[in-house]
Amino acid sequence: AQSVTQLDSQVPVFEEAPVELRCNYSSSVSVYLFWYVQYPNQGLQLLLKYLSGSTLVKGINGFEAEFNKSQTSFHLRKPSVHISDTAEYFCAVTQPASSGNTPLVFGKGTRLSVIA
Amino acid sequence: DAGVIQSPRHEVTEMGQEVTLRCKPISGHNSLFWYRQTMMRGLELLIYFNNNVPIDDSGMPEDRFSAKMPNASFSTLKIQPSEPRDSAVYFCASRRDSGSYNEQFFGPGTRLTVL
Repeated sequence: AQSVTQLDSQVPVFEEAPVELRCNYSSSVSVYLFWYVQYPNQGLQLLLKYLSGSTLVKGINGFEAEFNKSQTSFHLRKPSVHISDTAEYFCAVTQPASSGNTPLVFGKGTRLSVIA
Repeated sequence: DAGVIQSPRHEVTEMGQEVTLRCKPISGHNSLFWYRQTMMRGLELLIYFNNNVPIDDSGMPEDRFSAKMPNASFSTLKIQPSEPRDSAVYFCASRRDSGSYNEQFFGPGTRLTVL
């Protein structure tokens, strides 16, 4: 069974500072990995995904994440945050389609609060 | 494309009443997912359908919850009778499952409050 652990439930950071949101996954097979963002009172929006190829993945709004198979991690980073990045961030995992279509399994989320 | 459509956006009801949440997936998507989000438990998968057939309902909390997908463009999640602990945001998501991975799109959610 797959699972996702987001190590920090809340991360406060000052505006224009860098941020890293941590995500570790557990799976016995190959995986696809995702980061979603949820702004207040809205649904989830895809930030970026790793399916294969380069382990450094770039997403929207200046975010990037690096897939590290040996450490089973997929940490999200941004070099300089803005007030508008304040939101809840979810890491998710699923199996490749050849292994059978599976739903996304989500971590419990990290609330990023950007302070002016 | 209008995206995944959920209705109602907000529902307030009293304990014991029946609640029906509705979802219209994106046209052409053949997988549909119902999730529940709470502060305590995060985002939990309740049930998912593929080609209108329920594939895994192991996340449905108890018999008070039921879900149907009568056709490719409509699904319902019903709670009968509702209880205060069912208060949460319920999300519907859809995806086009083919040989390669496609993005899972989420609706805006239904915020349910059971008094």
